[in-house]
Amino acid sequence: EPEVTQTPSHQVTQMGQEVILRCVPISNHLYFYWYRQILGQKVEFLVSFYNNEISEKSEIFDDQFSVERPDGSNFTLKIRSTKLEDSAMYFCASSARGPNEKLFFGSGTQLSVL
Amino acid sequence: ELKVEQNPLFLSMQEEKNYTIYCNYSTTSDRLYWYRQDPGKSLESLFVLLSNGAVKQEGRLMASLDTKARLSTLHITAAVHDLSATYFCAVVDSNYQLIWGAGTKLIIKP
Repeated sequence: EPEVTQTPSHQVTQMGQEVILRCVPISNHLYFYWYRQILGQKVEFLVSFYNNEISEKSEIFDDQFSVERPDGSNFTLKIRSTKLEDSAMYFCASSARGPNEKLFFGSGTQLSVL
Repeated sequence: ELKVEQNPLFLSMQEEKNYTIYCNYSTTSDRLYWYRQDPGKSLESLFVLLSNGAVKQEGRLMASLDTKARLSTLHITAAVHDLSATYFCAVVDSNYQLIWGAGTKLIIKP
């Protein structure tokens, strides 16, 4: 079965450093998403991406965050200057035709900011 | 602003018992999802409920949706240990984004 893949599975970084989280969505999907989950808390929406541009973003997704689809397969989340409170599990997801459909999630990247 | 509330947030139960998890949401939506998450793992889609009165069942899990009451239930029948996980409901808001409940951590004791 097709799946969303994320790398790395764990990322440790120093506060203030830039990190890039990588995702390969399911190949025929058109919508891509980033969510995060702080340990023990609910899943939070960050951003959705369609047709090479951001379609929706939450208040969490401030100027420190950016997303990119650099080629036909990868979808990346960049955090420019990490803060301690950015420590969380970051999930990438994709759906075939939009957020009203089933989202397929990757296994996540655990980001730890020290 | 759409808010999603689940209860209970924590549930410990014996095998072979039945129980129900509730998901309430604050504004109109006609699309609700149930996800399962094992510790340290990703989110696994269980059910997509698309209309009022929708009922879906898989194995020992059954989900239903009442859009008028803004309520979904996830019913567990004759629980088994393998169903131990955290269960999330998520509702599509007016911007077509998923708003998540806080999750219900379910522990089923053998």
